[in-house]
Amino acid sequence: ELKVEQNPLFLSMQEGKNYTIYCNYSTTSDRLYWYRQDPGKSLESLFVLLSNGAVKQEGRLMASLDTKARLSTLHITAAVHDLSATYFCAVGKVKSSGDKLTFGTGTRLAVRP
Amino acid sequence: ETGVTQTPRHLVMGMTNKKSLKCEQHLGHNAMYWYKQSAKKPLELMFVYNFKEQTENNSVPSRFSPECPNSSHLFLHLHTLQPEDSALYLCASSQVWVEKLFFGSGTQLSVL
Repeated sequence: ELKVEQNPLFLSMQEGKNYTIYCNYSTTSDRLYWYRQDPGKSLESLFVLLSNGAVKQEGRLMASLDTKARLSTLHITAAVHDLSATYFCAVGKVKSSGDKLTFGTGTRLAVRP
Repeated sequence: ETGVTQTPRHLVMGMTNKKSLKCEQHLGHNAMYWYKQSAKKPLELMFVYNFKEQTENNSVPSRFSPECPNSSHLFLHLHTLQPEDSALYLCASSQVWVEKLFFGSGTQLSVL
């Protein structure tokens, strides 16, 4: 059974600081996703990582994937308040029956002044 | 606007009620999903439909009954629910073999 673990579960950080969220998964996978969810809102796709060593960046967020270690990281650079949200990683298996994603528990990020 | 619309946004129901959740996608996708999001738990996949055919039932109790009349619409029929079924129910769609799921805003369900 595929398990996905994120840490930390909760992160309070000061504006301007850097931090990293970690996502470990237990079995091989086709792809890894990062999503963002604001309170009361839907999940918004941030990144899709498809291969070992993949790195993607969007603004102050950078995601990377190490398939050998079964680890993905989401690095936050110079945090701002707008980044406050819950971040989920999800690991996917592409199947002809539909993509099946297994989600981590999420990391709730609070950026304070 | 994600292209996936869910109604209602909020629903309060008693344990003896019957209600339905609706999801519609305007993206031309061929796969649709129901996920359950409970407090302090990971999102749980409930059902997957591919070209209107159910391809995944993740050991969901029979009090949840999905229906997919076409590739654009997905329903979740609810009956005799329990308080522990209170959660955010998210619908998603994707083009099979393509990279990502698009989620709706969800229905916040409270069972009294």
